[in-house]
Amino acid sequence: SAVISQKPSRDICQRGTSLTIQCQVDSQVTMMFWYRQQPGQSLTLIATANQGSEATYESGFVIDKFPISRPNLTFSTLTVSNMSPEDSSIYLCSVDLGQLYGYTFGSGTRLTVV
Amino acid sequence: AQTVTQSQPEMSVQEAETVTLSCTYDTSENNYYLFWYKQPPSRQMILVIRQEAYKQQNATENRFSVNFQKAAKSFSLKISDSQLGDTAMYFCAFIINAGNNRKLIWGLGTSLAVNP
Repeated sequence: SAVISQKPSRDICQRGTSLTIQCQVDSQVTMMFWYRQQPGQSLTLIATANQGSEATYESGFVIDKFPISRPNLTFSTLTVSNMSPEDSSIYLCSVDLGQLYGYTFGSGTRLTVV
Repeated sequence: AQTVTQSQPEMSVQEAETVTLSCTYDTSENNYYLFWYKQPPSRQMILVIRQEAYKQQNATENRFSVNFQKAAKSFSLKISDSQLGDTAMYFCAFIINAGNNRKLIWGLGTSLAVNP
């Protein structure tokens, strides 16, 4: 399995500002994923990040709002830009360990925008 | 369409008793993998149990077991001897291949409360 360190664990931000969330994996992985989980809801995939290429965004998510970096095989960042209260959610990163093992997740970032 | 349905938004069980969480799914693929994840209040997403669709034998993991009915596309989770630490959201999911990416398809979750 893989261990993912995600930070910050929580933050309270002013509207209009940006927050960058970091995920560090203890092993090299090809694909990393960023999810949003709104209060009381299931997970929604924001984008898939492969090292060396641009992230692939899901419908409803755009790069200008959620820019992603993937500089190497163990690290990725997600920025939530120009935040509004509607961006208040838990954001989770995960890595794909293959079909048999599913995904491993970071501990999540609880974002509150005021 | 690839979907996962968890028909029980909330459930409760007394400590030490057994509870079953239901999950049905829809896919046209024949080979896939099914998962149950647990998300306690700490919000850490934890893999509870997994099942390969090509295996008829139901997966078990200590107090957790599944009842996998492939023809019915059903994948329920049974928790035996429930403990207070089992209180969490439980999500059913399966992996599909979507082009060059694999994707997890998620259910909406079941909130389980274990009462002392």
